[in-house]
Amino acid sequence: GDSVTQTEGPVTLSEGTSLTVNCSYETKQYPTLFWYVQYPGEGPQLLFKVPKANEKGSNRGFEATYNKEATSFHLQKASVQESDSAVYYCALGGNYNQGKLIFGQGTKLSIKP
Amino acid sequence: EAAVTQSPRSKVAVTGGKVTLSCHQTNNHDYMYWYRQDTGHGLRLIHYSYVADSTEKGDIPDGYKASRPSQENFSLILELASLSQTAVYFCASRPGLGVYAEQFFGPGTRLTVL
Repeated sequence: GDSVTQTEGPVTLSEGTSLTVNCSYETKQYPTLFWYVQYPGEGPQLLFKVPKANEKGSNRGFEATYNKEATSFHLQKASVQESDSAVYYCALGGNYNQGKLIFGQGTKLSIKP
Repeated sequence: EAAVTQSPRSKVAVTGGKVTLSCHQTNNHDYMYWYRQDTGHGLRLIHYSYVADSTEKGDIPDGYKASRPSQENFSLILELASLSQTAVYFCASRPGLGVYAEQFFGPGTRLTVL
């Protein structure tokens, strides 16, 4: 079945440094790929989604490219801020399997000022 | 904007007791989902529903039941709560099946079983 694997956390960075959270997936379908972000005490919220292979998604300075050949969807940001501290989830899903999402295990990111 | 609410926000239950977690959405969405969140496991799907009065098993349904009495409401029921069911539970909703549709999550319920 479908699966998602992402960078083991927790990850601690200094403000202003660059971020990469790796995400790899396995599926025989043609999914939409998602990055969700979860702040303390809240539910996950969509950061952005990419429905098509070889396209890039972005939001709030974060970006990821849907790489079908490498089955990857790595999250990147050039310069992190303290407000980026959160848990990040990579997920796949789409117009099949009743719209279910398969999530990675989550990566907790902490940014030091 | 999508609005999914959950009640209670936190609950302490005793082993062997019955627990009901409630979810309400005001988005007119067809699909609703229940997930549990555990450190190191991310979010795992327990039950879901795509129409009122019908529910489906997700990936980890054992020990849980679900009820969808109306389009807006979706409950998760633990008939005999166990220690292993201590977790944070999230409800989510989604409009009909469309390639670009994402799920909208509620704020979660923290359940502690003692």
